[in-house]
Amino acid sequence: KQEVTQIPAALSVPEGENLVLNCSFTDSAIYNLQWFRQDPGKGLTSLLLIQSSQREQTSGRLNASLDKSSGRSTLYIAASQPGDSATYLCAVMMDTGRRALTFGSGTRLQVQP
Amino acid sequence: EPEVTQTPSHQVTQMGQEVILRCVPISNHLYFYWYRQILGQKVEFLVSFYNNEISEKSEIFDDQFSVERPDGSNFTLKIRSTKLEDSAMYFCASSVQVLNNEQFFGPGTRLTVL
Repeated sequence: KQEVTQIPAALSVPEGENLVLNCSFTDSAIYNLQWFRQDPGKGLTSLLLIQSSQREQTSGRLNASLDKSSGRSTLYIAASQPGDSATYLCAVMMDTGRRALTFGSGTRLQVQP
Repeated sequence: EPEVTQTPSHQVTQMGQEVILRCVPISNHLYFYWYRQILGQKVEFLVSFYNNEISEKSEIFDDQFSVERPDGSNFTLKIRSTKLEDSAMYFCASSVQVLNNEQFFGPGTRLTVL
């Protein structure tokens, strides 16, 4: 059974820092990996989708990398801002034809002004 | 920008009552999903729906749950007889295709069972 783990569980940084969030998964037979942002009491906003054949994806100040064989992905946030404060979730879709996303428990990020 | 919408945003019900949670997926999307998130826990998959039928469901999605696409725009989740442990945030999502496409999530319905 696929297990997704995110480290750290919480992170507090001063504004302007570059930071890395980690996601690991136990079964490397994934089809894609998706990073989401969740604000308190709100829905999930899709940030980046990486296909299993890709190594990285970029959107603005966000860069996500994927090392499928080692079961790891990182989300790099450049020049963090207070508005980046949220919980960041990663989720994987298996390549077995199963459509469900399996989620990690998230990293709660606080960017201090 | 098109988005998934859900109603109501918050539903309070008594144990044993039926509830229907509603979703309007993005209009050109073909695959629809329900997930739930119990407070403090991970987001969990419930069910996926394609071509007017369930394509996949988790072990959580037992006989108490059902889904329906009653018309061309709405997608509903019904819980027949709610239990205390059904209290959670329920998210609807949709995607254009199952593979090679992102799942886009709605804002959620917070269900509180008393």
